[in-house]
Amino acid sequence: DIQMTQSPSALSASVGDRVTITCRASQYISSYLNWYQEKPGKAPQLLIFAASSVHSGVPSRFSGSASGTEFTLTISSVQPEDFATYYCQQGYSTPWTFGQGTKVEMK
Amino acid sequence: EVQLMESGGGLVKPGGSLRLSCAASGFTFSNYTVTWVRQAPGKGLEWVSSISSGGTYMYYADSLRGRFTISRDNARNALFLQMNSLRSEDTALYFCARVGDLVAQTYDYWGQGTLVTVSS
Repeated sequence: DIQMTQSPSALSASVGDRVTITCRASQYISSYLNWYQEKPGKAPQLLIFAASSVHSGVPSRFSGSASGTEFTLTISSVQPEDFATYYCQQGYSTPWTFGQGTKVEMK
Repeated sequence: EVQLMESGGGLVKPGGSLRLSCAASGFTFSNYTVTWVRQAPGKGLEWVSSISSGGTYMYYADSLRGRFTISRDNARNALFLQMNSLRSEDTALYFCARVGDLVAQTYDYWGQGTLVTVSS
């Protein structure tokens, strides 16, 4: 199985900060990497698909990039509604696996 | 508007069975692969099972194969998960999701989840 390792597991940020979350795959996954946002009591929401494509309706402050097996989710200027948990997920081969999550908390 | 709504969760004893349902609306259900993802209390997301648009191909997490069965009824826009021989480690919030991009296995819309608790 492909292991997805996110870092950090948690971070504290202030409104307006630039936030970067990293996801590393244990093997080659091409660009088949997706990012989701999860808030308590709500359905997870797709943010980024295929490493760098922004899902419809997602604010432009969210972006994704890739370098080999390392993928990055960036929030250019964190807003109050962005405090949540973020997950990466590989779509290269079954079983489709998720990272362990990164909780973004308000400082 | 794309909507997915799960139902069928509840409290069940170890060894028992449950059948989860997911009602889809707002899109042509029969055109999409759909999937189940679960989240144990305080834990991350775990892919459970997926079924192709026509119901021909089914995929399972290795640890669940043989106990869980995924199915769909395209005439009723419904997805199902039959769960047998349930264990305490199956306790989780179960989400259904639409696979919007088959190549990247992108889950573009999710339901709110239904809670399954396995306990004596």
